[in-house]
Amino acid sequence: EVQLVQSGAEVKKPGESLRISCKGSGYTFTNSWINWVRQMPGKGLEWVGKIGPSDSYTNYSPSFQGHVTISADKSISTAYLQWSSLKASDTGMYYCARHTTASLGMDVWGQGTTVTVSS
Amino acid sequence: DIQMTQSPSSLSASVGDRVTFACRASQTISSYLHWYQQKPGKAPKLLIYAASSLQSGVPSRFSGSGSGTDFTLTISSLQPEDFATYYCQQTYTTPHTFGQGTKLEIK
Repeated sequence: EVQLVQSGAEVKKPGESLRISCKGSGYTFTNSWINWVRQMPGKGLEWVGKIGPSDSYTNYSPSFQGHVTISADKSISTAYLQWSSLKASDTGMYYCARHTTASLGMDVWGQGTTVTVSS
Repeated sequence: DIQMTQSPSSLSASVGDRVTFACRASQTISSYLHWYQQKPGKAPKLLIYAASSLQSGVPSRFSGSGSGTDFTLTISSLQPEDFATYYCQQTYTTPHTFGQGTKLEIK
């Protein structure tokens, strides 16, 4: 079964750092892009950015560029989303999702990781 | 950035109804348009990719059409499990923007 399994919920304070993960299984990890999508409480979906696991090429939304870092360790089929200094406005649900090519949409999603940033 | 605009923002309908959702891109995106369904507390699910291709396992009552800037998602006969929020997304270029969503509610 093809699946993406994300790390558990996090509660952090403003200014703290954080890294959440997304582990792929059931397929060749390096054949697909991993995207990250944010959903703030009660709001819609926002594309954060993506990484191509075969060469670690990254692309970020301008709204998130410079505030988050996407990386991957293909040896363990895992992608990461990290922050060096969290803000309260980073609170939300973060999903990872794969696509093999842009024309096929994001066909497999992780279960989501809730990030809560509060003092 | 390409802006994706969905209409309506919400829609009330009954089981058995035929419903159509619209999605408009601020510039041409060819057929790089996908539709997702999201239920409360769940991850989104891909329904339609490349504007009109049905994702494996998705019931045939879902269909998509359009190209360029204007796209539609149609549910031919609503079932109780279809009440959810629907999003369109373009992957023609980055950032891969989503529409704001259409919430489908039971009348």
